[in-house]
Amino acid sequence: GAVVSQHPSWVICKSGTSVKIECRSLDFQATTMFWYRQFPKQSLMLMATSNEGSKATYEQGVEKDKFLINHASLTLSTLTVTSAHPEDSSFYICSARLAGVSTDTQYFGPGTRLTVL
Amino acid sequence: AQSVTQLGSHVSVSEGALVLLRCNYSSSVPPYLFWYVQYPNQGLQLLLKYTTGATLVKGINGFEAEFKKSETSFHLTKPSAHMSDAAEYFCAVSTYTGANSKLTFGKGITLSVRP
Repeated sequence: GAVVSQHPSWVICKSGTSVKIECRSLDFQATTMFWYRQFPKQSLMLMATSNEGSKATYEQGVEKDKFLINHASLTLSTLTVTSAHPEDSSFYICSARLAGVSTDTQYFGPGTRLTVL
Repeated sequence: AQSVTQLGSHVSVSEGALVLLRCNYSSSVPPYLFWYVQYPNQGLQLLLKYTTGATLVKGINGFEAEFKKSETSFHLTKPSAHMSDAAEYFCAVSTYTGANSKLTFGKGITLSVRP
């Protein structure tokens, strides 16, 4: 149980284009999903918290107009990188939260490798 | 505020040897503690977690960890390393605050297993 998928697993795009990444919780409903970015050999950096039916909460320093997040249902959140540039190349990982007083846990997707040429 | 310290960036053990990965945390409220493993080019897989109850928790692949409040530690151990254990390991802490619960990660430790 508690499986999270991401699509695509990798994407290559040209500078200036937009890319959408999907995150799905396959066997549970997640009112909250999270988007992280990971640079090589580094830990995960939280970009934003996505709550179903409301606007995402972005961490300090993350451009909300560049990284658009939509959480339209209890099983799907999307991250759109708008007008991508080479510096946006990274590994993007989502997680879905299984909430509960004694069970509160984030389950992670397999990640999406974005390369911007 | 909460934080996680994972000392060192790389641990190397021989196959069959004990694995010990250290994690210390800081939290102003009772913490929830997690260990995740990441294989190359993959997402994070939950190894084990402590939320409430028994302080010694067992996870997948033979790993276990003990929550020691007095030492603010949550070290990960495995009695006998396998080659397949080579990966990146992240310790993380969260506090249950309802809708605002967030994970704070340590910087990770790379585990290498020598034949």
